[in-house]
Amino acid sequence: GDSVTQTEGQVALSEEDFLTIHCNYSASGYPALFWYVQYPGEGPQFLFRASRDKEKGSSRGFEATYDKGTTSFHLRKASVQESDSAVYYCALGVDTNAYKVIFGKGTHLHVLP
Amino acid sequence: GGIITQTPKFLIGQEGQKLTLKCQQNFNHDTMYWYRQDSGKGLRLIYYSITENDLQKGDLSEGYDASREKKSSFSLTVTSAQKNEMAVFLCASSMKGGTEVFFGKGTRLTVV
Repeated sequence: GDSVTQTEGQVALSEEDFLTIHCNYSASGYPALFWYVQYPGEGPQFLFRASRDKEKGSSRGFEATYDKGTTSFHLRKASVQESDSAVYYCALGVDTNAYKVIFGKGTHLHVLP
Repeated sequence: GGIITQTPKFLIGQEGQKLTLKCQQNFNHDTMYWYRQDSGKGLRLIYYSITENDLQKGDLSEGYDASREKKSSFSLTVTSAQKNEMAVFLCASSMKGGTEVFFGKGTRLTVV
């Protein structure tokens, strides 16, 4: 069935480090791909999306490129800040018109000052 | 802008009890969702509703019922609360498929 895999459960970095959070998916066709961020006590917030092979999504310095060949949508940021500490979720819009949205298990990012 | 309001914020129930969680959105969105969030397991889709009068099962629908009373509201019923389902339940909505999903702040369920 359709699924999203986030390899890292926790990532700890220092400020100004480069961030990569891995996301791989399993689905037929060209599902819509998303990244969301969740801060304590809040619901997840949309970061960005992509829906075509090689399309890049970006927001707030974060970016990811849709790669149909490797079924991946890895999240990257060149220089993290302490305020980026949060849980990051990769998500997949599947079925006809991508109404059904399924999420990965999330990656908890800790950025140390 | 808009907002998604979930009530109650905290819900304490007894094992075996039937419990209802409510959600209202004022975005005028067609599609609404219920997710369950457990630590270390991410968000799991329980039910979603593409439009008013539609209901679709997600991957975790067993033990739950849902009702889309009108375009702006979507409720979730835990048919028989179990201790192992203590979690945060998140309601969400989107304009249409493939677009941004907006979330409420959640209802935290505790079963005693």
